[in-house]
Amino acid sequence: DAGVIQSPRHEVTEMGQEVTLRCKPISGHNSLFWYRQTMMRGLELLIYFNNNVPIDDSGMPEDRFSAKMPNASFSTLKIQPSEPRDSAVYFCASSFQGGLANNEQFFGPGTRLTVL
Amino acid sequence: DAKTTQPPSMDCAEGRAANLPCNHSTISGNEYVYWYRQIHSQGPQYIIHGLKNNETNEMASLIITEDRKSSTLILPHATLRDTAVYYCIVRVANAGKSTFGDGTTLTVKP
Repeated sequence: DAGVIQSPRHEVTEMGQEVTLRCKPISGHNSLFWYRQTMMRGLELLIYFNNNVPIDDSGMPEDRFSAKMPNASFSTLKIQPSEPRDSAVYFCASSFQGGLANNEQFFGPGTRLTVL
Repeated sequence: DAKTTQPPSMDCAEGRAANLPCNHSTISGNEYVYWYRQIHSQGPQYIIHGLKNNETNEMASLIITEDRKSSTLILPHATLRDTAVYYCIVRVANAGKSTFGDGTTLTVKP
């Protein structure tokens, strides 16, 4: 398996523009997580899905952020409009929850977002 | 999820054992202890987890005290590539979300 795939790896955009980050989880996993990491705030959970349904979005900063998971193999995190304070590394992770699984999360390589 | 406390940084000599402590005094009976690490510029990587028994795998050993209020991650023979931030997390299995704290920055020195 190729692991969790994220695209793009780097994104530079101007304030006010729409940004869409993409994630392909590991095949067979039923949970997907979006995290944001900055020096100031560390690694924060934004939202997570179980069986394509959003379970907890309490970490989503504000209405400018939205996430979707239309099917088990794809998720997007959208920021519209983007602001300089959104600059961070965004990680996607997936896991299998259920039964005796240990629920370890597998992280993607991240998308480094810079909003000018 | 129970809160964890870790030292902000530690050093270790290459080839020696690295012992990383974690306090989780408010852990509940059904919460597991998970350890992840994050090497610079990469996503976090799962290391090991346990409930109350000591655990060992190819990467590390996890020692959990009898009262489960603290644990220690042991890297038996640290290498320079083990330099990373190590996160201790406690959560219920199948609970989904994990809360990452500040972790311990381990620096392995030659």
